Amino acid sequence: NAGVTQTPKFRVLKTGQSMTLLCAQDMNHEYMYWYRQDPGMGLRLIHYSVGEGTTAKGEVPDGYNVSRLKKQNFLLGLESAAPSQTSVYFCASSPRIRPGQEYSPLHFGNGTRLTVT
Amino acid sequence: AQTVTQSQPEMSVQEAETVTLSCTYDTSESDYYLFWYKQPPSRQMILVIRQEAYKQQNATENRFSVNFQKAAKSFSLKISDSQLGDAAMYFCAYRTLSGGGADGLTFGKGTHLIIQP
Repeated sequence: NAGVTQTPKFRVLKTGQSMTLLCAQDMNHEYMYWYRQDPGMGLRLIHYSVGEGTTAKGEVPDGYNVSRLKKQNFLLGLESAAPSQTSVYFCASSPRIRPGQEYSPLHFGNGTRLTVT
Repeated sequence: AQTVTQSQPEMSVQEAETVTLSCTYDTSESDYYLFWYKQPPSRQMILVIRQEAYKQQNATENRFSVNFQKAAKSFSLKISDSQLGDAAMYFCAYRTLSGGGADGLTFGKGTHLIIQP
């Protein structure tokens, strides 16, 4: 049981290049999330998905696109990378919170360190 | 929108002593969860403790306990008998129950905890 797997672990891009970060979960979770972490800023939500084929904007969505074509995968794309997108990116997944059921926390991947020069 | 505030960017404590990390939050909802997460240099996000807002009793996990003051919207973490392995970034986080928790976690900016040997 791998949990949440992020690919790649590290990446360096030049300004204007594009790339896609892949997140995969094997727990059949409905919800998936992309966060970015910057020094002194905590983790901020970029986009999230409540199910296959659905996506929604979080706190800091500009410059990013996402897709969830399969329930187990959540892709984060940067169409034209900028130095301001240098950050550590975390993917997470969780089941829907259901009344009366024991709480199941978010499961986090190990992060992707992206540097844009 | 909910906000989470951690006013202590950095805290330092002697090994074996007790330290308290502060967190306040703002919400108009009545049903929610509060969390403390630990992030060591490995970047792994580790759930330390969880508090359900409807529970008056403060959560405890071994050396970690919280002081949850719902009316004051305060949620502090007390670490007793501090150990070198407790050194990490600590994040306070909030999650609403509405929508099955689809919005995920809202994080504070974090407190860097240093343990002096």
